[in-house]
Amino acid sequence: QVHLVESGGGVVQPGKSLTLSCAASGFTFRNYGIHWVRQAPGKGLEWVALIWYDGTKTYYSDSAKGRFTVSRDNSKNTMYLQMNSLRVDDTAVYFCTRENSASFNQLDFWGPGTLVTVSA
Amino acid sequence: QSVLTQPPSVSGTPGQTVTISCTGNGSNIGTGHDVHWYQQFPGTAPKLLIFRNNNRPSGVPDRFSGSKSGASASLAITELQAEDEADYYCQSFDNSLSGVVFGGGTKVTVL
Repeated sequence: QVHLVESGGGVVQPGKSLTLSCAASGFTFRNYGIHWVRQAPGKGLEWVALIWYDGTKTYYSDSAKGRFTVSRDNSKNTMYLQMNSLRVDDTAVYFCTRENSASFNQLDFWGPGTLVTVSA
Repeated sequence: QSVLTQPPSVSGTPGQTVTISCTGNGSNIGTGHDVHWYQQFPGTAPKLLIFRNNNRPSGVPDRFSGSKSGASASLAITELQAEDEADYYCQSFDNSLSGVVFGGGTKVTVL
């Protein structure tokens, strides 16, 4: 059974850093690309980043580029989202989600999310 | 402002059919990229509802169907039920942005 669980959320001051983790189980983690998607309170879904199955390529939204870094450790079945220079508008629930290996950008399993609140 | 445009809300009575549109452009849906749809209940993670334009994952009722034409896609819910009340999002890929794009979401209300 596929499971993704995010952790590391919390309250952080503007300008500070925070690292989120996404722990995976129930599938061969090293074979799948993983995305981060966020949702601000009361708002819609916003794509944040993608890391390829082997970690060799990463892609970011314009809002994440230059501030966020995604990485993964396939030996630990875990991926990470390091967020620097956080802004108030980064406040959101952050979801990690698995990309279907046979279908481009199809996000077939999602974690429950972790809330990041950026506030002074 | 989302790259893909959806109506903010649609409503219907039980048993009716509702349709949600998702309009893109020549940089995303119009180039041939697939459209996927997600269902989200309050306080929970999105769930894949329709993949590659018109395919249902195992367990999704056949009351849900998707279609795509040109730079637009749509999700239809037939025989609307109270349990269908949720937010629905379309998603594709945008060549100009080199990333995944979502619609702004549509809230379905069952009257």
